[in-house]
Amino acid sequence: DAGVIQSPRHEVTEMGQEVTLRCKPISGHDYLFWYRQTMMRGLELLIYFNNNVPIDDSGMPEDRFSAKMPNASFSTLKIQPSEPRDSAVYFCASSLVLAGSQETQYFGPGTRLLVL
Amino acid sequence: DAKTTQPNSMESNEEEPVHLPCNHSTISGTDYIHWYRQLPSQGPEYVIHGLTSNVNNRMASLAIAEDRKSSTLILHRATLRDAAVYYCILLSNDMRFGAGTRLTVKP
Repeated sequence: DAGVIQSPRHEVTEMGQEVTLRCKPISGHDYLFWYRQTMMRGLELLIYFNNNVPIDDSGMPEDRFSAKMPNASFSTLKIQPSEPRDSAVYFCASSLVLAGSQETQYFGPGTRLLVL
Repeated sequence: DAKTTQPNSMESNEEEPVHLPCNHSTISGTDYIHWYRQLPSQGPEYVIHGLTSNVNNRMASLAIAEDRKSSTLILHRATLRDAAVYYCILLSNDMRFGAGTRLTVKP
């Protein structure tokens, strides 16, 4: 398997524009996670899905952020409108199961977002 | 939520063992202790995990205190490629990272 795939790897946009980040999890994994990493706040969990259903979105910073998982092999994180403070590295991760807390997460390479 | 406490940074010399501590005094009986590391410009990667017993794998060893309120990640011979931020995480219903320990390895 190619691992978790994220696109784009880098995104530069202007304030007010819509940004869409994409993630393809490892095939067969039931859980998908979106994280954001900044120098100030470290690595933050934004939302996670189980079998394409959002389970916990308490980490989503505000209504400008939305995430979807239309099928088991694809998820998007959308920011509309984007603001400079959204500049960060966004990671997607997937895991096989969560129950029992034994399963490890596999992270993608991240999308480095810069909002000017 | 169960939380962990780690030193902000540590230094090690190349080829020497490194002991990275983690305190998790509010751990519950079902929480697994996971360690991840993040190399520069990469996403976090799994290192090791355990519940009660000490664990070994090709990357590291995990020593868990008898009361499970602390654990130590052991890199037996640090290399320059081990320079990274190491995260200790308790898995319950989700996965939330703390600030981690930034390990610097000196040649």
